[in-house]
Amino acid sequence: DSGVTQTPKHLITATGQRVTLRCSPRSGDLSVYWYQQSLDQGLQFLIHYYNGEERAKGNILERFSAQQFPDLHSELNLSSLELGDSALYFCASGPSISTDTQYFGPGTRLTVL
Amino acid sequence: GQSLEQPSEVTAVEGAIVQINCTYQTSGFYGLSWYQQHDGGAPTFLSYNGLDGLEETGRFSSFLSRSDSYGYLLLQELQMKDSASYFCAVRDNTNAGKSTFGDGTTLTVKP
Repeated sequence: DSGVTQTPKHLITATGQRVTLRCSPRSGDLSVYWYQQSLDQGLQFLIHYYNGEERAKGNILERFSAQQFPDLHSELNLSSLELGDSALYFCASGPSISTDTQYFGPGTRLTVL
Repeated sequence: GQSLEQPSEVTAVEGAIVQINCTYQTSGFYGLSWYQQHDGGAPTFLSYNGLDGLEETGRFSSFLSRSDSYGYLLLQELQMKDSASYFCAVRDNTNAGKSTFGDGTTLTVKP
């Protein structure tokens, strides 16, 4: 158990819908990272927040957005969902703004039908 | 930008030693990390090389050579539970929050 929690574990929705994925980092960690992992694929970096501020963006679609709240939990919002958005979404946390050791949550499996 | 290449699959027998290579092209990075992911599970951190050379953690060792743009993860005394995917990753030193992962190497350990 990494100490990072993600909810929900599974999410099934329809195309065109909007969903929100939630992540709580390890106690004391200020950085939250979001990744997308499609079937049998690597981890695609989406976005990084540190202490409430966006710090880095990867190839995140405009339909996706994220934020980190004062209590340091983070939410990833996915809208106008498409079949290709079906994937595992992981968040990871780290203690500082720049860390090479990231602690991953269990992931949210999103299925878009 | 950053790109990392790993073999897609490696097979070995219990008790053996296996090396998973990672070659990279980067515009600058802090160091090379390795993560393990069992099927359907979360990636877990294994090892980090900030400097050239070998880092040893139990049965696992990792190596980095910046001059060769190359690193590897060495797994010794393989066990069935080592069957998993292994990812190398770098963090961009021009954008410290951005991490790039390789596509992963699936290791199958056979009895």
